[in-house]
Amino acid sequence: GAGVSQSPRYKVAKRGQDVALRCDPISGHVSLFWYQQALGQGPEFLTYFQNEAQLDKSGLPSDRFFAERPEGSVSTLKIQRTQQEDSAVYLCASSLESVDTEAFFGQGTRLTVV
Amino acid sequence: QKEVEQDPGPLSVPEGAIVSLNCTYSNSAFQYFMWYRQYSRKGPELLMYTYSSGNKEDGRFTAQVDKSSKYISLFIRDSQPSDSATYLCAMRSQAGTALIFGKGTTLSVSS
Repeated sequence: GAGVSQSPRYKVAKRGQDVALRCDPISGHVSLFWYQQALGQGPEFLTYFQNEAQLDKSGLPSDRFFAERPEGSVSTLKIQRTQQEDSAVYLCASSLESVDTEAFFGQGTRLTVV
Repeated sequence: QKEVEQDPGPLSVPEGAIVSLNCTYSNSAFQYFMWYRQYSRKGPELLMYTYSSGNKEDGRFTAQVDKSSKYISLFIRDSQPSDSATYLCAMRSQAGTALIFGKGTTLSVSS
């Protein structure tokens, strides 16, 4: 596709439910990032992949958050036992090179935990 | 104190006005400075990217970085209603992988 695609666009989860958010980066992009954007805030870094290797997961807020990119293309962010404070927009971004600063963002998945 | 501070606004201007958006930061290791535009319910879109200090111009947009003051600016000339959006500053150190974002400034340009 032409851009970064994320699915679903919207997800409502009951507290305690597990969710999986998908990101399809731009084809051929080496780097993939996940960010969390709370309402009225800027995005906050969660994790970074270079191809299939997760090189930085320092932003993951707890061990309930897990991300993978097994074949170096599609990535999934999984949140276990969702809590209300997990409600946010989850943004995925990809860039062509390892330290390329031009990251292209997807439209995000809006997660609401009720 | 957050690493990157940005006044959330909102900022309202008439069409044709010059808009000035600003961020301050505390981490002297930041080397890459970016401005993103985010429309409602969309992902951020890169507008301007500057490495280290200096100015960069692209059409109606000018980005300035003053590392001595730890202060960056984005100027929008001849603002248009289509410029109405949230503008996010972001920055990164040479060795870092994460972009550190400001809170975003909401801009409204009225016709």
